[in-house]
Amino acid sequence: DAGVIQSPRHEVTEMGQEVTLRCKPISGHDYLFWYRQTMMRGLELLIYFNNNVPIDDSGMPEDRFSAKMPNASFSTLKIQPSEPRDSAVYFCASSRTVNYGYTFGSGTRLTVV
Amino acid sequence: DAKTTQPTSMDCAEGRAANLPCNHSTISGNEYVYWYRQIHSQGPQYIIHGLKNNETNEMASLIITEDRKSSTLILPHATLRDTAVYYCIVSANFGNEKLTFGTGTRLTIIP
Repeated sequence: DAGVIQSPRHEVTEMGQEVTLRCKPISGHDYLFWYRQTMMRGLELLIYFNNNVPIDDSGMPEDRFSAKMPNASFSTLKIQPSEPRDSAVYFCASSRTVNYGYTFGSGTRLTVV
Repeated sequence: DAKTTQPTSMDCAEGRAANLPCNHSTISGNEYVYWYRQIHSQGPQYIIHGLKNNETNEMASLIITEDRKSSTLILPHATLRDTAVYYCIVSANFGNEKLTFGTGTRLTIIP
């Protein structure tokens, strides 16, 4: 199993540009989570899906953020327009259950200049 | 979710047992204790979890006090690769309860 695959590993973009982060969960995992990590705020849960359906998006910071899961093997997190304060490492994780055995991807380091 | 309290940082000598404490005095009867760790520049990694009984796997042991208000994660023979931030999380194992990470304990293994 290749684990949770995220792309790109690094993204540098200019303020105002659209950014799309991608995630391929582990096959057979029904839950997919998007986290953001910064030095100031630590690991924050942004949104999670169960069977491709968004269950809790209360952590999404504002309308500039959106996430989709069109099928069981793919999810995207989009920021439009991006701002410097969005700079962080974004992690995707998947799991068979809602709260244990999460497998995290390697993360996408986003820098907005 | 119940809140947890962990020391900010700890050191342990290589080859010795690392004992990481966690206080969760407001834990509810249906809440589990989970441990994850995050090695620098990597995503968090699941270690172990338990409800009331002590648990052991290939990575670590989890000791939960009888009143469940605190627990200890034990890495029996720490190596340099165990240097990481360790997160103790409590959460119910049903419904829409999801894992919320705190600030964790930064464990440094000293050669």
